[in-house]
Amino acid sequence: GEDVEQSLFLSVREGDSSVINCTYTDSSSTYLYWYKQEPGAGLQLLTYIFSNMDMKQDQRLTVLLNKKDKHLSLRIADTQTGDSAIYFCAETPMDSSYKLIFGSGTRLLVRP
Amino acid sequence: DVKVTQSSRYLVKRTGEKVFLECVQDMDHENMFWYRQDPGLGLRLIYFSYDVKMKEKGDIPEGYSVSREKKERFSLILESASTNQTSMYLCASSFGGRDTYSNQPQHFGDGTRLSIL
Repeated sequence: GEDVEQSLFLSVREGDSSVINCTYTDSSSTYLYWYKQEPGAGLQLLTYIFSNMDMKQDQRLTVLLNKKDKHLSLRIADTQTGDSAIYFCAETPMDSSYKLIFGSGTRLLVRP
Repeated sequence: DVKVTQSSRYLVKRTGEKVFLECVQDMDHENMFWYRQDPGLGLRLIYFSYDVKMKEKGDIPEGYSVSREKKERFSLILESASTNQTSMYLCASSFGGRDTYSNQPQHFGDGTRLSIL
């Protein structure tokens, strides 16, 4: 079945890099996404990667995709206190053009 | 920038009331979605619409209905609100109709925190 798993919590010091990890089960996934949710707010699309790519970089964000291990990661360079939020990994299965399967979210806490 | 607007950030209603949650998007997206988000359960899809007047059930449609009379607006209806429908409700939209495989990302509104007393 379809499943996306993330660790629940990550704490880093301001200025360090953060790496948030995600594993998924559907090897036919077409797109994989990272969303950010700040307290009391909706989900903000951060970045996404197509399944035929290994890496995507966008300013402080780097996404790495290992299709063999079905592992996705989000690296945030020079983490700031404003990066404290919940980060959701999501995949789109091949057999569904619209459905998103979300992980349970990783809460990132950035310590001053 | 894509803008998805949900009509209320916070809403308090009573058990048995009929509740309407409204969502509007300004990007001419074909697809619109309603999710609920609960601690420990993540995001769950309630209903989905890929065109005006078209709808499909998501994973948890029971107790809900939807309406899509115009392309930009998607309404979620709680026919008779119950306390177990207290939750954060999130609307999203994306480009592309039902059968497209040129999948585009979903863009979310700020959410409506609904409390049923």
